[in-house]
Amino acid sequence: NAGVTQTPKFRILKIGQSMTLQCTQDMNHNYMYWYRQDPGMGLKLIYYSVGAGITDKGEVPNGYNVSRSTTEDFPLRLELAAPSQTSVYFCASHKPGTYQETQYFGPGTRLLVL
Amino acid sequence: KQEVTQIPAALSVPEGENLVLNCSFTDSAIYNLQWFRQDPGKGLTSLLLIQSSQREQTSGRLNASLDKSSGRSTLYIAASQPGDSATYLCAVTGANSKLTFGKGITLSVRP
Repeated sequence: NAGVTQTPKFRILKIGQSMTLQCTQDMNHNYMYWYRQDPGMGLKLIYYSVGAGITDKGEVPNGYNVSRSTTEDFPLRLELAAPSQTSVYFCASHKPGTYQETQYFGPGTRLLVL
Repeated sequence: KQEVTQIPAALSVPEGENLVLNCSFTDSAIYNLQWFRQDPGKGLTSLLLIQSSQREQTSGRLNASLDKSSGRSTLYIAASQPGDSATYLCAVTGANSKLTFGKGITLSVRP
């Protein structure tokens, strides 16, 4: 299993541009999450999904959109990028009911908005 | 709203020292608590997970305890090594398996 993969690894955007951060997992996990991590801070939840076709807002959803058309993929869309969206973005997946109950994280996408 | 606090933000110790990292949370209605390790520029690796009904978990030189009623957890690292240098994040699991993270403790173990 590749686990959770994210693309791209790094991206520079100009203010007002848009882009999609890709996230794919091959573990057949129902639950998927998007977090952002700012320097010196913990991770904050942007959006999450408990299954295909179901998404919900987390703590910091403004400026982002998500979709979940398949179990494997959970893309995060940034519309009209702003400097405040400069951050490292992590995708995670989880299968509830498993003994360990841990979330598995991707390697992250580093985004710089100038 | 759940809040997770980790103090201090950074810690530097000599190699071989036993150390304790602290984590506190405001809402005791959690499913579990996890400790993660994050190396610079990398993702998160789960170290230990303690279910809400458990008191502690051990893995090698690591031991994590949970006192849900007081909203506290500790991560004990025995005989620290330079390879333990990293940021350690504490997170609690709430509804829909959503994680609330602390800001992390950056540990530096000096040779």
